[in-house]
Amino acid sequence: DAGITQSPRYKITETGRQVTLMCHQTWSHSYMFWYRQDLGHGLRLIYYSAAADITDKGEVPDGYVVSRSKTENFPLTLESATRSQTSVYFCASSEAGGIGSPLHFGNGTRLTVT
Amino acid sequence: GQSLEQPSEVTAVEGAIVQINCTYQTSGFYGLSWYQQHDGGAPTFLSYNALDGLEETGRFSSFLSRSDSYGYLLLQELQMKDSASYFCAPGPGTDKLIFGTGTRLQVFP
Repeated sequence: DAGITQSPRYKITETGRQVTLMCHQTWSHSYMFWYRQDLGHGLRLIYYSAAADITDKGEVPDGYVVSRSKTENFPLTLESATRSQTSVYFCASSEAGGIGSPLHFGNGTRLTVT
Repeated sequence: GQSLEQPSEVTAVEGAIVQINCTYQTSGFYGLSWYQQHDGGAPTFLSYNALDGLEETGRFSSFLSRSDSYGYLLLQELQMKDSASYFCAPGPGTDKLIFGTGTRLQVFP
């Protein structure tokens, strides 16, 4: 089915470990985004990508790495997880960067860092 | 700088009308989007205003005043299923939407 899927849905990891969150979309949208959502902070942009091999930082990029070798995939890696990275992570895609073009969100990954 | 203000919580009863206000300040501006998010779910797109005025989509309407850096979402004939968080998202540029902490709407029977 067409859409945007994130995996895993839930993840528990330990401090210091590397963890990768996956995001896959089937619409061939140019733009993809990673947001984190925490109580009291709403949705905050981590990284975004305008096309394959083009990525840029958002509001809170520290501690995260992204790549976009293929249009449909946009993985997010926490190189050395910290407890402050416990959050719900949403991936999104859009045709034209979100302005006038809706963001389509995945169902989220709930990450707990112990 | 960039800032965004929405009420943190709004309550209303079924059948009523509620307005959720949004004031923003961005370094550039292309338009104002609104998203809905139910507890435990993903945000979903509701509406977008690029120009001043009112956009209507069924029971929901969204308004924008660019000169006042102000917009609102109007929900009519409230239903229990409208209980959710609502985010306004002004776009300072083509690539970055700013989401605030949102407004939690609780609809009571």
